[in-house]
Amino acid sequence: ETGVTQSPTHLIKTRGQQVTLRCSSQSGHNTVSWYQQALGQGPQFIFQYYREEENGRGNFPPRFSGLQFPNYSSELNVNALELDDSALYLCASSASGGGWLDTQYFGPGTRLTVL
Amino acid sequence: GQQVMQIPQYQHVQEGEDFTTYCNSSTTLSNIQWYKQRPGGHPVFLIQLVKSGEVKKQKRLTFQFGEAKKNSSLHITATQTTDVGTYFCAGSTTSGTYKYIFGTGTRLKVLA
Repeated sequence: ETGVTQSPTHLIKTRGQQVTLRCSSQSGHNTVSWYQQALGQGPQFIFQYYREEENGRGNFPPRFSGLQFPNYSSELNVNALELDDSALYLCASSASGGGWLDTQYFGPGTRLTVL
Repeated sequence: GQQVMQIPQYQHVQEGEDFTTYCNSSTTLSNIQWYKQRPGGHPVFLIQLVKSGEVKKQKRLTFQFGEAKKNSSLHITATQTTDVGTYFCAGSTTSGTYKYIFGTGTRLKVLA
């Protein structure tokens, strides 16, 4: 196990609702990245947080937003949910400030279903 | 935009056979990482390659980074049923916003 935890494990929402997903990084890690993994696809990078600031963003609309807290835990917020948002949401923590040599340790994920 | 493709998409092998998955990027990568994801699980880091032409081995697994740093491969010798899962490469680039681009993955099934 990596020591990265996510909550909740599963979540069912309806279109238009808002959702908040949580991630606790591995001890000693200061960087959290969020990924969306649709069924049968590879993880797609949403954004990364380092020292409470957004440190990079993928091709996701502004209704995907995040936060990182002083203890390096993080939240992913998605507003105005759409059916296509149904996916496994993974967070990954790393120790080197988001540098390109970081080793990422993934949590178990949150399975979001939008009806 | 930048893409990272993997082939094959699926591979079924008999236990004991070898397996190779190939990863190709549309742009030059700074480094590449490989992950394994078991069915119902999350990606688990296997290895990172940084240098052009680099080759690394982990027991039955051999990883290679291409000379042009645009492709990579993972070779498993004498597969075992424990090798079942989806193998992803993930490349990072320093052009534009830092981020890791995951490949499309190769799903491996090993028949006993």
